[in-house]
Amino acid sequence: QSGLTQPPSASGTPGQRVTISCSGSKSNIGSHIVNWYQHLPGTAPRLLIHTDNQRPSGVPARFSGSKSGTSASLAISGLQSDDEADYYCAAWDDRQSGHWMFGGGTKLTVL
Amino acid sequence: QVHLVQSGAEVKKPGASVKVSCKASGYTFSNFGISWVRQAPGQGLVWMGWVSPYNGNTKYAQKLQGRVTMTTDTSTSTAYMELRSLRSDDTAVYFCARVSVAGMDVWGQGTTVIVSS
Repeated sequence: QSGLTQPPSASGTPGQRVTISCSGSKSNIGSHIVNWYQHLPGTAPRLLIHTDNQRPSGVPARFSGSKSGTSASLAISGLQSDDEADYYCAAWDDRQSGHWMFGGGTKLTVL
Repeated sequence: QVHLVQSGAEVKKPGASVKVSCKASGYTFSNFGISWVRQAPGQGLVWMGWVSPYNGNTKYAQKLQGRVTMTTDTSTSTAYMELRSLRSDDTAVYFCARVSVAGMDVWGQGTTVIVSS
């Protein structure tokens, strides 16, 4: 079972702003950086946000990340049809001798 | 440009082993770790472990301890993940990913492993 909790689905219309939440605990989000990944089935996951709120080069400014306490969020503004994908949060967890933990994933639908 | 290219799909019988490769290019291989992540059908991403090409150190997910071995060959800039005693619930797409200070930043295209009798 995933230790990071994400809503299974989210949706929005083109141009809208959508946020996806990721809830964890002191042993993961509360103590370590959070990354966000975009994943289209059949392709390689793409790093969207690292270190809570940093965008790698090439990722549009429409994508932003934030963190507060043991929760994190990914915001996508100016929603586009090709944003339709699965989104995962990830954080290191100190339990079980330490391991990377992913959220269960949120399927974003652009209506 | 950084690339990770993985080996092709595999079909294995229960109890067999599989070894997936991940060839890196576009960066100094020994300077970054390699993580392995898998995704079972209809499920999310699950971290399997990490290997350091610099010194061969490894860290595995507790659930896979004893069944998985991750290695690297710095002469060919290739990482390997071997999973033994395969079961049907090992059927998944397996990804390798480069590990930087920012976490897993570049991923391979994935390798489908099907375990079926």
